[in-house]
Amino acid sequence: AQKITQTQPGMFVQEKEAVTLDCTYDTSDPSYGLFWYKQPSSGEMIFLIYQGSYDQQNATEGRYSLNFQKARKSANLVISASQLGDSAMYFCAMRVTSGTYKYIFGTGTRLKVLA
Amino acid sequence: EAQVTQNPRYLITVTGKKLTVTCSQNMNHEYMSWYRQDPGLGLRQIYYSMNVEVTDKGDVPEGYKVSRKEKRNFPLILESPSPNQTSLYFCASSLYGTQYFGPGTRLLVL
Repeated sequence: AQKITQTQPGMFVQEKEAVTLDCTYDTSDPSYGLFWYKQPSSGEMIFLIYQGSYDQQNATEGRYSLNFQKARKSANLVISASQLGDSAMYFCAMRVTSGTYKYIFGTGTRLKVLA
Repeated sequence: EAQVTQNPRYLITVTGKKLTVTCSQNMNHEYMSWYRQDPGLGLRQIYYSMNVEVTDKGDVPEGYKVSRKEKRNFPLILESPSPNQTSLYFCASSLYGTQYFGPGTRLLVL
């Protein structure tokens, strides 16, 4: 069964430090996409970063990078130089691209950045 | 401005009273989807649509209906709402995979 697992319900990080949010996935489909979204306390869902299953390099977008380890089926989000505005809920998601085109989300990690 | 809009943003209703939550996107996206978000469960996909007149069930479709008569609109229909459908609902659209979300609709069913 296809599944996304985020094992860290909550995390703290000191301002200006880097933090890694864990995400593991399970699928037997060879073609899939992995996403990270941010949900601040205001409630909107903000797209952060995308990694395709055939991408050779890890995706990066500004201070966000995705540590993609295909053999381990992990897609961890790394936020460098944390800012107070990074305090939010973070969701990892997967889209299977053959057959159903469903999206599956993890349960999320709540990140709190400390001043 | 490229966006996904949802209406209403907040809704309180009673058990059994049919309701519709509208969703519209102005990005000409083919893929649209509905999710519900509940504490501790993340987002769960209710229904999705690959294109006009093409819809399919997500992981939690029971108690919901959708239609896709036009590319830009994808309404979510609750024919007989029940208290367990109290939730935060998101509509999303995408072209090549990355989804763009609406602002959310907070529904309370009494």
